[in-house]
Amino acid sequence: DAKTTQPTSMDCAEGRAANLPCNHSTISGNEYVYWYRQIHSQGPQYIIHGLKNNETNEMASLIITEDRKSSTLILPHATLRDTAVYYCIVGNGGATNKLIFGSGTLLAVQP
Amino acid sequence: DADVTQTPRNRITKTGKRIMLECSQTKGHDRMYWYRQDPGLGLRLIYYSFDVKDINKGEISDGYSVSRQAQAKFSLSLESAIPNQTALYFCATSDDYGSSGYTFGSGTRLTVV
Repeated sequence: DAKTTQPTSMDCAEGRAANLPCNHSTISGNEYVYWYRQIHSQGPQYIIHGLKNNETNEMASLIITEDRKSSTLILPHATLRDTAVYYCIVGNGGATNKLIFGSGTLLAVQP
Repeated sequence: DADVTQTPRNRITKTGKRIMLECSQTKGHDRMYWYRQDPGLGLRLIYYSFDVKDINKGEISDGYSVSRQAQAKFSLSLESAIPNQTALYFCATSDDYGSSGYTFGSGTRLTVV
């Protein structure tokens, strides 16, 4: 499975958009990009995933570059409750599906 | 009721004791996973199971064993607990294609003294 690189930490002002980058330069053609978040020792929560098209759901948007070597998770209007560690993971959603977590990005939303 | 239930939520045990962590899910998924998380670190995969008859080792399986008793149940055992197995343990489940992401339990905080 491809590995990912994320910044260790980021700050964001409450109400502003939070843009969390992720590099995955060794991603394979059949690997998806998944985003999860973990709020202080709770179980990780699935946010969104995509293959090559941009995706949006009620939680966030996922922008994947055309070469698929990087992506950005966008929280459009960050709140204090969005403070969490955000994990970007690449994996094959099919027969070999198993997620390998890295260290993630600690997003601190400031009032 | 939670989709993935882990028991116990907290446990303190002594070195050398055998302990079992239990996980059950109501999602109807075939795939289940056990992860471990140490303070300040990401999750590491211990074991995973793609169906009742399929068990696979993950990144850090030494010192652990698992049992898939039914589609809905996946247990993790520490045969002889040691202090460096003190950690937060998470169980998760997913469908066969990962199309809806993993659903995690709330975790079991295990302390080995």
